[in-house]
Amino acid sequence: QVQLVQSGPEVKKPGASVKVSCKASGYSFAEYYIHWVRQAPGAGLEWMGWINPNGGSTNYAQSFQGRVTMTSDTSISTAYMEVNSLTSDDTAVYFCARGPRPPMYRGASDSWGQGSLITVSS
Amino acid sequence: IQMTQSPSTLSASVGGRVTFTCRASQNIGNWLAWFQQKPGKAPNLLIYKASHLETGVPSRFSGSGSGTEFTLTISSLQPDDFATYYCQQSFDYSGFTFGQGTKLEI
Repeated sequence: QVQLVQSGPEVKKPGASVKVSCKASGYSFAEYYIHWVRQAPGAGLEWMGWINPNGGSTNYAQSFQGRVTMTSDTSISTAYMEVNSLTSDDTAVYFCARGPRPPMYRGASDSWGQGSLITVSS
Repeated sequence: IQMTQSPSTLSASVGGRVTFTCRASQNIGNWLAWFQQKPGKAPNLLIYKASHLETGVPSRFSGSGSGTEFTLTISSLQPDDFATYYCQQSFDYSGFTFGQGTKLEI
């Protein structure tokens, strides 16, 4: 079965960076987009962007452009999402999710990681 | 594209029928998904392409709509259904926005 397993919780200081990993199993990793979504405490879901593991092309939400980098390593079926210049507003649970098969970018995310809590605090 | 869900909170009883509404600020065709989320858990896909039931999701869930107006209906509420429900559009390449969510309470 499709499974996405994310890295554990982290505490970071303002101004630091954090890199979250998402290891996929149960399907051909390179054949599906990986999306990243975050959820601040008590808030709704916020889409951050996607990466096509086959080739590494990315598409970031405008609010994250320049501060977020999504990468992948197909040899170990793992996607990564790095956020720079962290502030307290970045405190959230970060989810990875499997998207549709390229080249069709439209479609729902059908499998999700368990989430990674990132806390930004001085 | 802005996605607006209503109401923000919905109260209902076990065995009842509820309908959630999601409106898009522009035409998104049928590129609309519905997710259920319980506290401390990842979202779970219920409906994709506006009306297609995801494999394994009970048939009491159904979705309809196209263009800018969409609905999710639960026909006979079960105790396990009390959660928060989100819609998401995947039409706009520049951003797959979510609605703000509707919390379903007993």
